[in-house]
Amino acid sequence: GAVVSQHPSRVICKSGTSVKIECRSLDFQATTMFWYRQFPKQSLMLMATSNEGSKATYEQGVEKDKFLINHASLTLSTLTVTSAHPEDSSFYICSCKRTSLETQYFGPGTRLLVL
Amino acid sequence: KQEVTQIPAALSVPEGENLVLNCSFTDSAIYNLQWFRQDPGKGLTSLLLIQSSQREQTSGRLNASLDKSSGRSTLYIAASQPGDSATYLCAPPYSGGGADGLTFGKGTHLIIQP
Repeated sequence: GAVVSQHPSRVICKSGTSVKIECRSLDFQATTMFWYRQFPKQSLMLMATSNEGSKATYEQGVEKDKFLINHASLTLSTLTVTSAHPEDSSFYICSCKRTSLETQYFGPGTRLLVL
Repeated sequence: KQEVTQIPAALSVPEGENLVLNCSFTDSAIYNLQWFRQDPGKGLTSLLLIQSSQREQTSGRLNASLDKSSGRSTLYIAASQPGDSATYLCAPPYSGGGADGLTFGKGTHLIIQP
């Protein structure tokens, strides 16, 4: 199956700092990448959809100026949490897909803790 | 907006049993549906992708069925093993109308006792 990596796997930062999370598709080109987050004991929630070279589409309630998404190539998308606050502490997971009919492949996730 | 409900929320059974996990979703205009497993603190592992034109999809001891008209999908696990312990998630498309993001419920937390 396809492999998706995320880096870092875990990050602790101080309130007010910015954190960048990378998502890479290692053995295929991803036309679309997605970012989800999961709070403890809650469902995964879609944050945004990004296509290579285009601006990301954000879901309702997700601040685009706070969660900056860059999809610079067919194998890399980054999520930057700007001016992070404790309420941004969560598990962030990306997924990648090639065509509209195929499986989404998920990364291992990044656990963010903002102090 | 798509909403997903999974029943039961939790299940603990001795190994060897056959299991049925249920999923219902509100928007039936979907083109496929995926089942995943999530181990504690980890990402998601894709189990099965079932297209809207299919009624069943099988992979090893797993079988997923899809009834679009009623908004239901079922995951059948045969001869369960302790390694099957995980949270199982069904995921139809987010809006049901062609958007590519997925909608998740809270899943079924499965424990298989040795």
